[in-house]
Amino acid sequence: DSGVTQTPKHLITATGQRVTLRCSPRSGDLSVYWYQQSLDQGLQFLIQYYNGEERAKGNILERFSAQQFPDLHSELNLSSLELGDSALYFCASSEMGTSGTQYFGPGTRLLVL
Amino acid sequence: AQSVAQPEDQVNVAEGNPLTVKCTYSVSGNPYLFWYVQYPNRGLQFLLKYITGDNLVKGSYGFEAEFNKSQTSFHLKKPSALVSDSALYFCAVRDDAGNMLTFGGGTRLMVKP
Repeated sequence: DSGVTQTPKHLITATGQRVTLRCSPRSGDLSVYWYQQSLDQGLQFLIQYYNGEERAKGNILERFSAQQFPDLHSELNLSSLELGDSALYFCASSEMGTSGTQYFGPGTRLLVL
Repeated sequence: AQSVAQPEDQVNVAEGNPLTVKCTYSVSGNPYLFWYVQYPNRGLQFLLKYITGDNLVKGSYGFEAEFNKSQTSFHLKKPSALVSDSALYFCAVRDDAGNMLTFGGGTRLMVKP
């Protein structure tokens, strides 16, 4: 158990809908990262937050947004969903510094029908 | 831009034999290298990392990795494979800013009894 929690574990929805994925980092970790794992794209970095502020952005679509709250939990919002958004979404958290290891949650499996 | 290559989609090894999973990287600046393992329907579990220091890094479950700067490689090794080591292995590199991880495509390790 990494100490990073994600809810829900599974999500089934329809095209055009909007969903919210939730992540709670390990105790004491200020950085939260979101990644997408799909068969065709592999594991891709989406976005990073540090202590409530956006720190880095990767290949995140404009339909996707995220935020980190004062209690450090984070939410990833996916809107106008398309079939191609079906994937496993991971959250990770890390301690401060460049040598900090990212610890991953169990993921949320999203299926868009 | 940084990149990671895992040249083998699958590695097959007999139980008890040594195993190697290959990884090469490209990064400007200092390389921060990681290995993660993913079991079916699970998140990514951290195995080991190279930040600086000894070229041979020891990690969890008896795994180790050898950093070779001249060959820009970071191969994962284990002296004696177990059937329970069968899983998907990812090599990753992180940028100097300590933000995103860039992952290789993954290598499926199959250990046969």
